[in-house]
Amino acid sequence: NAGVTQTPKFRILKIGQSMTLQCTQDMNHNYMYWYRQDPGMGLKLIYYSVGAGITDKGEVPNGYNVSRSTTEDFPLRLELAAPSQTSVYFCASRTGRPSSGNTIYFGEGSWLTVV
Amino acid sequence: AQSVTQPDIHITVSEGASLELRCNYSYGATPYLFWYVQSPGQGLQLLLKYFSGDTLVQGIKGFEAEFKRSQSSFNLRKPSVHWSDAAEYFCAVATGYSTLTFGKGTMLLVSP
Repeated sequence: NAGVTQTPKFRILKIGQSMTLQCTQDMNHNYMYWYRQDPGMGLKLIYYSVGAGITDKGEVPNGYNVSRSTTEDFPLRLELAAPSQTSVYFCASRTGRPSSGNTIYFGEGSWLTVV
Repeated sequence: AQSVTQPDIHITVSEGASLELRCNYSYGATPYLFWYVQSPGQGLQLLLKYFSGDTLVQGIKGFEAEFKRSQSSFNLRKPSVHWSDAAEYFCAVATGYSTLTFGKGTMLLVSP
């Protein structure tokens, strides 16, 4: 019963480095999301995907890239890390069936610090 | 565009006292509404959701919320707070295309 799994849980990056946050879900969900959470700001949507091969920008996409080659995986790429990307990142997923009531399931988060 | 307002950044409640966390939303269509809870260093856990039917929704851990369309509100309540309820609480609204817009959160502190 894994649900949504994110790796790594913690990471420290130097300015200008690149990295990928991995996200996988085992619930056969069509929709997947990446959010970032900053203190006092709630969660902001970075990118989302409605199915394999389809991605779209959310509210704060600058500095990030995503891909969705399979239903299960939705990695988030940071190409040139900046201090402004220090945040907690959450991956989430949802089934496309209306009967789900739009419940979105979250991973446990990835804490990223850029120094 | 949809938005969610949680007017209280912090709330302190005595253990055993009742709790109400406020949430107001702005969305043109019938909203799908959620409350999530986040303990320190943890992910988000769904407490309850509303998407149709009875406007009083029961959730986990003894929480309930009432949808009031006339007030654009979806306030979270609990009759008796336990120390383990101390956490940050997020209200959220889903669009028809199923992204979630979150409020900025309310931090609940429970005093002995």
